[in-house]
Amino acid sequence: KAGVTQTPRYLIKTRGQQVTLSCSPISGHRSVSWYQQTPGQGLQFLFEYFSETQRNKGNFPGRFSGRQFSNSRSEMNVSTLELGDSALYLCASSLKAGWNEQFFGPGTRLTVL
Amino acid sequence: ILNVEQSPQSLHVQEGDSTNFTCSFPSSNFYALHWYRWETAKSPEALFVMTLNGDEKKKGRISATLNTKEGYSYLYIKGSQPEDSATYLCAFNTGTASKLTFGTGTRLQVTL
Repeated sequence: KAGVTQTPRYLIKTRGQQVTLSCSPISGHRSVSWYQQTPGQGLQFLFEYFSETQRNKGNFPGRFSGRQFSNSRSEMNVSTLELGDSALYLCASSLKAGWNEQFFGPGTRLTVL
Repeated sequence: ILNVEQSPQSLHVQEGDSTNFTCSFPSSNFYALHWYRWETAKSPEALFVMTLNGDEKKKGRISATLNTKEGYSYLYIKGSQPEDSATYLCAFNTGTASKLTFGTGTRLQVTL
């Protein structure tokens, strides 16, 4: 069974640009969550999607957005990039929303110059 | 703001040593406690999900306990091996949403 995949794995952008990251969950999983990891901050929750609906959003500015498609694949978008957006972005999938076990992808390393 | 605290921040042990880490979390609105192992350059790997007070889980040499009334969980590794070197994260859910609130982790290094 294929795991969670994320593309691209590495990305370099400049301030002011926008970026789209993609996440393909494990087949059959309908819930996708996104997390940001920066040095010293740990993993911070961005948002959660289930059945194409955003169920929960973390404390991030509106520049961070996401969506989920009918095949459960998810994308997150960051507009007007800032230096502080440099981070590892992880997505996790689970069979359904709630406290269930979540499976993480390898992440996308975003560097903003 | 809900805080999850893990201790120690880092740990360096010899092969064969047994070790344990602590995860503290607010005991109100508890729903589930997750433990993950995160090796460098890999994806975080789920170890345990625990929901009930008094829960004990075991996977090989690794085990975990949960006390939801006082808000803590312990992770134990028996006979540490170099391949156990990783960051161990705990996270908890406060409801039916999938949102996980993570601690900053305990970084374990096991040397020969």
